[in-house]
Amino acid sequence: KQEVTQIPAALSVPEGENLVLNCSFTDSAIYNLQWFRQDPGKGLTSLLLIQSSQREQTSGRLNASLDKSSGRSTLYIAASQPGDSATYLCAYCLSGNTPLVFGKGTRLSVIA
Amino acid sequence: DAGVIQSPRHEVTEMGQEVTLRCKPISGHDYLFWYRQTMMRGLELLIYFNNNVPIDDSGMPEDRFSAKMPNASFSTLKIQPSEPRDSAVYFCASRPPDNEQFFGPGTRLTVL
Repeated sequence: KQEVTQIPAALSVPEGENLVLNCSFTDSAIYNLQWFRQDPGKGLTSLLLIQSSQREQTSGRLNASLDKSSGRSTLYIAASQPGDSATYLCAYCLSGNTPLVFGKGTRLSVIA
Repeated sequence: DAGVIQSPRHEVTEMGQEVTLRCKPISGHDYLFWYRQTMMRGLELLIYFNNNVPIDDSGMPEDRFSAKMPNASFSTLKIQPSEPRDSAVYFCASRPPDNEQFFGPGTRLTVL
């Protein structure tokens, strides 16, 4: 069964801290993995897409890594800000023609 | 591009009424997905289309739910008759093959 686990379910950190969000998945033969952000009452916003041939992707203060052999991805947020407070979801697919399998997300609170 | 467009953004209806949700995907995206999100069950895939053809509708909860995609720029999700347990946020998403998936802002449905 395809499954994505995100631990912890919730995280609270002081402003300025560097933090890591974890995502583990059951299939090693993934095609790509995507990280999303969801603000309360809003849709999902794509943050980063990592293809299976890549080990990491960076966008501003965000860095996502992918280790297929261990079935893990991490999202690193540098110098966290209150505006980073949101739920972060990871999702993967097994091919370009199959739907994403989503985790339940990590709810992040950055305290000023 | 304006992104994935959904309408209405909010819908309040009474039990037994028909509800139609609408989605306009990003131009050029071959895949369209309908999701439902609730606090209890998280994000659930209902159905997805490739080039306007339904590929997998195994996530559609009951025969009361139906979805169509008459052309590349329009899709509908219909619930008839609606029930209070259908209350949720419904998202539409689209993506090209092999690439990033983008979500619409969602329709918040409340069935009284």
